[in-house]
Order: sequence, then structure tokens, then C-alpha cells
Amino acid sequence: KAGVTQTPRYLIKTRGQQVTLSCSPISGHRSVSWYQQTPGQGLQFLFEYFSETQRNKGNFPGRFSGRQFSNSRSEMNVSTLELGDSALYLCASSTDRPNTGELFFGEGSRLTVL
Amino acid sequence: QQQVKQSPQSLIVQKGGISIINCAYENTAFDYFPWYQQFPGKGPALLIAIRPDVSEKKEGRFTISFNKSAKQFSLHIMDSQPGDSATYFCAASLGGDYKLSFGAGTTVTVRA
Repeated sequence: KAGVTQTPRYLIKTRGQQVTLSCSPISGHRSVSWYQQTPGQGLQFLFEYFSETQRNKGNFPGRFSGRQFSNSRSEMNVSTLELGDSALYLCASSTDRPNTGELFFGEGSRLTVL
Repeated sequence: QQQVKQSPQSLIVQKGGISIINCAYENTAFDYFPWYQQFPGKGPALLIAIRPDVSEKKEGRFTISFNKSAKQFSLHIMDSQPGDSATYFCAASLGGDYKLSFGAGTTVTVRA
């Protein structure tokens, strides 16, 4: 079974630009979560989608948004990039049946904002 | 604010030794406490998890100890091996949702 796939793996943007990151979950997983990982703040929850609906949201500004498609693939978007948005963005998928609580993470998209 | 506090930030242990990582949480509604292991360049992967109805759970060389009254839980890595060198994160969530509150992480280095 293929794991969680995130694209692109690395990208460099400049302040003020926007970025879209993509995540393909494990086949059969309908829940997709996004986390931001930085050396200073650690792993922080961004949002979770299930069946195309945002089910949970973390404490991030509105510049961070996401969506999920009918095939469970998800994208997250960050608009008006700031230097502090430089981070590893991790996508994780999960199964709801049963709800084991386990997150299966991808390898992440490393964003550098210059 | 950090809902889960983790210590130490890093530790070095000799091969065959015991690594101990501690976590404390604030929210008494948390009911799921996983530990994730992350290698450089990889995403975190679930190592072991516990729910508050048990005080200890063991899987191979990894053991979680849970103290509900003290709101603390810890990971013990027995007979540490060089392949255990990684960053370990404790976490907590409530109600079976996937919004995990992670600790800051502990980098474990096992010296051969």
C-alpha cells in the first residue's frame, strides 16, 4: 500500500507570494490533517478535513487555508507569504473506520520563504 | 500555549542503556497519548500509544508509563540501539479526533 505522498518536496518562495501544497492520502483514508513543523514551535496542527469538510482547525491566521477533494486528496494554500512561514508542512492521513487515532504522515513539503 | 510539555530536549545514551523521556499535559480531557518517532528527512511515525484506562503499555523495547493523577506520561526505551537515534514526540488528543497537541520533541542519540 502506498504511503502518504506530498508534492512538491521542496520549494522556495519570496515574501508576498502564495503557495499551494498537495497531499495524496493512503488509499481508503478519508481524513487528512495538516501540520506545520518548525524548530522553534515544533509540530502545530493546522486543520483536518474529512469527506471534503473541514472538521477541525488550529490557531493559524486566515492566510492558511485548505480543501479536500472527493477522492480525499487535499491541498493547502498559504497566501501573502511571510518569512515566518518557512517550515516543513506535513500532511497526515487517517482512517475513521475504525478510529484508531493513528496519523500516517508523509515526508513533508519544505517551504523556504526569502 | 504548549499543552504538552516534553523533557529533556536531547539525550545521549550508550548502546544497551535506557532512554527516558517525560511529558506532562494540562488538559484533563485528553484521552489518547501517542508517541511518534521521526528520522531526519522523514515524517513522524507512530511508535506506541496509550489511553488513560491503563497505567503501562509495552511493545518490544518501548514502554509507556502513564500517571493520570499527576498528568504525566513517559517513554522508556530499553536496550537502546544506534537505530533508535531519532527525535521522539509525545502528543495528546481528545475525543478520538486527529487534532494532536505535540510536545517539543526529544532528540535521542545512541552511541555504539
